[in-house]
Amino acid sequence: EDKVVQSPLSLVVHEGDTVTLNCSYEVTNFRSLLWYKQEKKAPTFLFMLTSSGIEKKSGRLSSILDKKELFSILNITATQTGDSAVYLCAVVSGTYKYIFGTGTRLKVLA
Amino acid sequence: NAGVTQTPKFRILKIGQSMTLQCAQDMNHNYMYWYRQDPGMGLKLIYYSVGAGITDKGEVPNGYNVSRSTTEDFPLRLELAAPSQTSVYFCASSQDINRGRQPQHFGDGTRLSIL
Repeated sequence: EDKVVQSPLSLVVHEGDTVTLNCSYEVTNFRSLLWYKQEKKAPTFLFMLTSSGIEKKSGRLSSILDKKELFSILNITATQTGDSAVYLCAVVSGTYKYIFGTGTRLKVLA
Repeated sequence: NAGVTQTPKFRILKIGQSMTLQCAQDMNHNYMYWYRQDPGMGLKLIYYSVGAGITDKGEVPNGYNVSRSTTEDFPLRLELAAPSQTSVYFCASSQDINRGRQPQHFGDGTRLSIL
């Protein structure tokens, strides 16, 4: 059975800290791994990773994929209160099947 | 460009009532999905469709039905509402991610309470 596991489940940090969120997976026919940020409403897309070892960066956020060890990490540096959200990892299997993890709830304190 | 539109945004149902959650997309996407998200949890797939006239069950289909008569619309039907169906429901659509297109686009969700 395909599965995606995220850790930790929740995390509380102070502004300025650096956090690392983890996503491991066991999925047949892996195509890509996605990171989403979810605040009050729908998930918003952050990164799509398809190749091992290539870091994706967007400002203070970065992510990398290890297809051999079947995991990805999402790093957030110099955290801000606006980073408080649930971060979802999803793996795409085949053409259209998305398998989501349960998410990591991040709270950044001022 | 509206993207994925879900209606209603909120609804309260009594046990045993039925209702249809509407979802429409204007991006000509082939693939559409219904998810539910319980508090503190990730997204669980209820049903999905790979094109008009084709639907299939996800991991939590019991108590729900769907139809896909057009490319644009993918309504989700609850026939006999139960308290366990209290959740936030998200509709999403996508094209083939392997062709370099964007991943799933989500609607804003429908918050449903069964009392």
